[in-house]
Amino acid sequence: DTAVSQTPKYLVTQMGNDKSIKCEQNLGHDTMYWYKQDSKKFLKIMFSYNNKELIINETVPNRFSPKSPDKAHLNLHINSLELGDSAVYFCASSPMHVPDTQYFGPGTRLTVL
Amino acid sequence: GQQLNQSPQSMFIQEGEDVSMNCTSSSIFNTWLWYKQDPGEGPVLLIALYKAGELTSNGRLTAQFGITRKDSFLNISASIPSDVGIYFCAGGNSGNTPLVFGKGTRLSVIA
Repeated sequence: DTAVSQTPKYLVTQMGNDKSIKCEQNLGHDTMYWYKQDSKKFLKIMFSYNNKELIINETVPNRFSPKSPDKAHLNLHINSLELGDSAVYFCASSPMHVPDTQYFGPGTRLTVL
Repeated sequence: GQQLNQSPQSMFIQEGEDVSMNCTSSSIFNTWLWYKQDPGEGPVLLIALYKAGELTSNGRLTAQFGITRKDSFLNISASIPSDVGIYFCAGGNSGNTPLVFGKGTRLSVIA
C-alpha cells in the first residue's frame, strides 16, 4: 500500500533513556515532517526536511534530532527522555508541487515513565 | 505566531443531521485544508482548497475557502455514526511556513 508508515506504534520507556522513531513514505514526496500532538490534541510542527535537508526547526529542544538518510525516510531520535516528552508523534509528507497538502502517518504514542 | 480559531470545540448531533464547522484567522492563508482524526490514528486529509472562493465537495463533505482568505468552513450532510472523530482545519502558505492547525472540533453522532 502507498502510505506514510511509522514504527513503533507504541513506545513505553523510562526517563533518561534514548529512543528512536522511524518514518517511511512511499508516495514519492519530497518533504517530510515531524509533529507532536499533546494530550489536548493540539498538533505542533517540530521539523521538516526537503530532500534530506532540514528546512524547519521549530523551537524544539536539542535532545530531539531528526535524521533523513534519503528522501523517503525521516527518523526522530530523542535523547535523555523526560516526562513532558510523552505525546503522540506524527510523521507526514507532502509533494513538491502542493507542499501544504500533507499526508500523515498513523502516529507513535510515546509514554515516558 | 499565526493562530486559527476553530469552532465549535465539540458537537453532539443526531444521525442524519447536517453539521457545520468553521475556522477563522487574523492573517491570510494561500491554502486551507480539512483533516479528520479517528481515535488512535493519524489525521486523514479530507479536502484541500487552493483558491479564494473555491467550493469543493468530497462525497457528503463540502468545504469552502473564504473570499478574504482568512476563513474556511466544512459542512457534512446527513451525518452517520462513522463521521465521529476530531476534525481539524489547517492553513498554509505554499510550504514557505509551517501549516497552522486549529484546535479541532470533536464530533459525536448519536444513532
